[in-house]
Amino acid sequence: KQEVTQIPAALSVPEGENLVLNCSFTDSAIYNLQWFRQDPGKGLTSLLLIQSSQREQTSGRLNASLDKSSGRSTLYIAASQPGDSATYLCALTTTGKSTFGDGTTLTVKP
Amino acid sequence: GAVVSQHPSRVICKSGTSVKIECRSLDFQATTMFWYRQFPKQSLMLMATSNEGSKATYEQGVEKDKFLINHASLTLSTLTVTSAHPEDSSFYICSARDDGDGYTFGSGTRLTVV
Repeated sequence: KQEVTQIPAALSVPEGENLVLNCSFTDSAIYNLQWFRQDPGKGLTSLLLIQSSQREQTSGRLNASLDKSSGRSTLYIAASQPGDSATYLCALTTTGKSTFGDGTTLTVKP
Repeated sequence: GAVVSQHPSRVICKSGTSVKIECRSLDFQATTMFWYRQFPKQSLMLMATSNEGSKATYEQGVEKDKFLINHASLTLSTLTVTSAHPEDSSFYICSARDDGDGYTFGSGTRLTVV
């Protein structure tokens, strides 16, 4: 059974800092890994998708990495902004079924 | 890229009524769709797997008579929460396997039962 852990559960940083969110998983036989953003009371926004054969993906200030051998993924956010404040979820997909972590709630202070 | 449209995004209903949530693949055919639920301050959990033309497969602990899933076409799956109660208030999201062997998520539905 896939288990997904996200550390830290909450993070507060001043504006402008670079930061790393962590996601670890127990079963490396994954199809893909996806990072989402969830704003309070809102839906999910897909940020980055890494296929099993890939090691990283980049979009703007975001960079996600995948290391299946160690069962880890990181989401790097550069030059954080208050608008980045949200809960960030990672999800591991095997053959269809996705397992989500509990999320990291990020607060970027102006 | 593949797009999954989920409606409504937010819904408020009275206790005892039923609510239908639609998950539609816009530019591909999805033989299989998945429904997830998120309890407050918890992670998203798989509720059921919806297969076109056949009965859905429910995860352990999910009441199939309460959460009716219909996947009548290759582009549409619906989740109906029957006789909704306040404890059914949650965030529901669907995903579908697209033609390119990827999995695409809808944006989710926030249900509030009053």
